[in-house]
Amino acid sequence: QTVVTQEPSFSVSPGGTVTLTCGLSSGSVSSSYYPSWYQQTPGQAPRTLIYSTNTRSSGVPDRFSGSILGNKAALTITGAQADDEADYHCVLYMGSGISVFGGGTKLTVL
Amino acid sequence: EVQLLESGGGLVQPGGSLRLSCAASGFTFSGYAMTWVRQTPGKGLEWVSSISGSGAKTYYADSVKGRFTISRDNSKDTLYVQVNSLRADDTAVYYCAKHPDVGSYYYMDVWGKGTTVTVSS
Repeated sequence: QTVVTQEPSFSVSPGGTVTLTCGLSSGSVSSSYYPSWYQQTPGQAPRTLIYSTNTRSSGVPDRFSGSILGNKAALTITGAQADDEADYHCVLYMGSGISVFGGGTKLTVL
Repeated sequence: EVQLLESGGGLVQPGGSLRLSCAASGFTFSGYAMTWVRQTPGKGLEWVSSISGSGAKTYYADSVKGRFTISRDNSKDTLYVQVNSLRADDTAVYYCAKHPDVGSYYYMDVWGKGTTVTVSS
């Protein structure tokens, strides 16, 4: 059973920088998993932020960036704003049409 | 504008069935793979099932295999999932999502607003 791990919660000060990570319970995350990131605010549908490790979706501000850090995928928010307060979900593509979501990270901006 | 609109959710008893629909607009529906994702109350997202643009290839999470059937009608620009033998842990908001092309599933680029399924007696 593949488990994708994310920090349950994180906090950042307005204007600060935060890096959220996305790992595997067994093994390392590489670009071969095409990591993608989604932002979700309460009561709303997810919004695509980053795909294929580090490509920003259309309209996503450049303060959001994706990368591989060590053995995990990472989402970095530089210059966090109040409306970045949301849940952030990562997805790893396992092949054969199968995707696995992480448990999500609740980001607080305060 | 690309849009996805889910419908068909509701309250159903354990063991019951529903068919969820996702009406697509603003793009050539048959040219894109599609996916269902669900979100249980207060929890994270879970990939449920995906289908290729033609409908020939389908994929399922182990948690729904044998109970859920994904399909699409490209003449109606509509995605479906038939959900049978429902259990309490199937209670969730069900989202449909579009993939970036006909046979790749690397990520979802457009999401619907979701339809809620509640399984309870």
